[in-house]
Amino acid sequence: GAGVSQTPSNKVTEKGKYVELRCDPISGHTALYWYRQSLGQGPEFLIYFQGTGAADDSGLPNDRFFAVRPEGSVSTLKIQRTERGDSAVYLCASSLWTNTEAFFGQGTRLTVV
Amino acid sequence: GENVEQHPSTLSVQEGDSAVIKCTYSDSASNYFPWYKQELGKRPQLIIDIRSNVGEKKDQRIAVTLNKTAKHFSLHITETQPEDSAVYFCAASKGGTGGSYIPTFGRGTSLIVHP
Repeated sequence: GAGVSQTPSNKVTEKGKYVELRCDPISGHTALYWYRQSLGQGPEFLIYFQGTGAADDSGLPNDRFFAVRPEGSVSTLKIQRTERGDSAVYLCASSLWTNTEAFFGQGTRLTVV
Repeated sequence: GENVEQHPSTLSVQEGDSAVIKCTYSDSASNYFPWYKQELGKRPQLIIDIRSNVGEKKDQRIAVTLNKTAKHFSLHITETQPEDSAVYFCAASKGGTGGSYIPTFGRGTSLIVHP
């Protein structure tokens, strides 16, 4: 079956603009995670959803970042007033249950110029 | 929260040699330890995982060991091949009551296997 799908694969935006990144998890997976990966670093946790609710958003760096998962499937990560420091690869992962294998999407490479 | 340290950051070996990557974690309640392989420009993919009720797990050329007392776990790759060249990440998470369920990742080890 289809894996985790993220769109767009690349996004270039100007400083100060608003962006939305989409994640389509594997069907039936209840847990969904957003991570951010900078060059040469490991994935850095942003937010975790269990079903529709954000179970843990402690990794969001500031209030410019927000994510939703309204129907417990597709999730959107929203970044307002983008800054150059937001440039990174944003990874989404889903797992059937918590504490089981997390399947990653291919990521969205965000570049803020 | 959980803190995962990973060493070395870079590992260079000759084809056929063994490679060992080590990780330590801080939260003694962590009970699930996956390892991911990420090739250049690709997504991380699980290669092996271990739960806290076992001390070792093996899958062909790959093995993982876990020492709960010392809070460290290691990835062992034997008979390395050039296609093993990639970045490897360890992670730790905990489930159960009060568990955070969130995999915390190490910073990664870039493994280079020279033919």
